[in-house]
Amino acid sequence: QSALTQPASVSGSPGQSITISCTGTSSDVGSYNLVSWYQQHPGKAPKLMIYEVSKRPSGVSNRFSGSKSGNTASLTISGLQAEDEADYYCCSYAGSSTSVFGGGTKLTVL
Amino acid sequence: QLQLQESGPGLVKPSETLSLTCTVSGGSISSSSYYWGWIRQPPGKGLEWIGSIYYSGSTYYNPSLKSRVTISVDTSKNQFSLKLSSVTAADTAVYYCARLMITIFGVVIINNWFDPWGQGTLVTVSS
Repeated sequence: QSALTQPASVSGSPGQSITISCTGTSSDVGSYNLVSWYQQHPGKAPKLMIYEVSKRPSGVSNRFSGSKSGNTASLTISGLQAEDEADYYCCSYAGSSTSVFGGGTKLTVL
Repeated sequence: QLQLQESGPGLVKPSETLSLTCTVSGGSISSSSYYWGWIRQPPGKGLEWIGSIYYSGSTYYNPSLKSRVTISVDTSKNQFSLKLSSVTAADTAVYYCARLMITIFGVVIINNWFDPWGQGTLVTVSS
């Protein structure tokens, strides 16, 4: 069970859109529509932002959206705001009742 | 509103056993729709799923940690616990507990999303 692959960092200016990728294998991301995304501010616990690839929990801004193609899932944040600056982690079901996380991506709002 | 709170020693000696408890408030740990999980995050690094438990005591563990991990549940106290044996400095991390949404297909448990999370507790392994 290897960690999902995310870019170490991405950046964007306020108002712009950015996309964070999350690449797995045919044993996890590619086989299940069970990818979730978490936002983590420094010193805080992760917060669920997207589940089941593209669904948003109540209270999460519609500026956050998710998608998947093959073995790669993506999180897109549109209309970047300063408060979006955080670390983002993807997570996927990996079979046999196990979960696997990505290595995390640091988003910088310029 | 469901809340989770981790508790336990913040310092553990190498080769000893790390023990943490997660107390669930605002809801019952005996819900049929959820498992309860432990996730850790070494300083400056990413998240790692450790394992999950159902109120019945059914458990699933990360294969890389399975030989050292035991997760248990106490429904009377609305708590679940983590024990990690033979710890080394590599086990130094912030440990989180979280509720895990699941789907059950026959006898197969499908892990979905983690929400909510506890605030996390830092455990340092050092002599």
